[in-house]
Amino acid sequence: DVKVTQSSRYLVKRTGEKVFLECVQDMDHENMFWYRQDPGLGLRLIYFSYDVKMKEKGDIPEGYSVSREKKERFSLILESASTNQTSMYLCASRNRGSTDTQYFGPGTRLTVL
Amino acid sequence: DQQVKQNSPSLSVQEGRISILNCDYTNSMFDYFLWYKKYPAEGPTFLISISSIKDKNEDGRFTVFLNKSAKHLSLHIVPSQPGDSAVYFCAANGGSNYKLTFGKGTLLTVNP
Repeated sequence: DVKVTQSSRYLVKRTGEKVFLECVQDMDHENMFWYRQDPGLGLRLIYFSYDVKMKEKGDIPEGYSVSREKKERFSLILESASTNQTSMYLCASRNRGSTDTQYFGPGTRLTVL
Repeated sequence: DQQVKQNSPSLSVQEGRISILNCDYTNSMFDYFLWYKKYPAEGPTFLISISSIKDKNEDGRFTVFLNKSAKHLSLHIVPSQPGDSAVYFCAANGGSNYKLTFGKGTLLTVNP
């Protein structure tokens, strides 16, 4: 069974704080993704990574950065959190190949005050 | 520009009846389509997929139909059960970068 875990289920931070969201997968997947989910907007891709140390911007990268130093771990960083970054953050991973399914973690509900 | 559209934000059906969730896409490069199911406060879970070389894929109570000429796909759930109540996302993959494009989701409520 594929397992994708995220470091926190719920997180509350203050405006201007630096925030780290961690994601770990245990299936040796090459590709990893960070999304945010907001009501009425569906899932929007923030960043993804093809492999270790590789990253590519998604549809809404502004205000975020990522790090992938090890294959199993993909971190999302909010350099200076703002209230409009309050959201559900979802990490996913998949194996290489265009038909391979993405597997999601349980999500982190981030509130920025 | 929304490339994957789920035009019904919500759908309500009676237990035992059929649920039909619809999805339209605009990008001709999409060649693989997936449905995900999401409960509140959980991550999406993969439900069923279909390649563009097929027009139907079935897995138990779930069937996905693809009409390439109309750029339309649908998910049929028969019979519907209260545990099927969730948000359903349609997603598409294609081109060279392997990323999924998601619709905005449809909230399905199955009433006992």
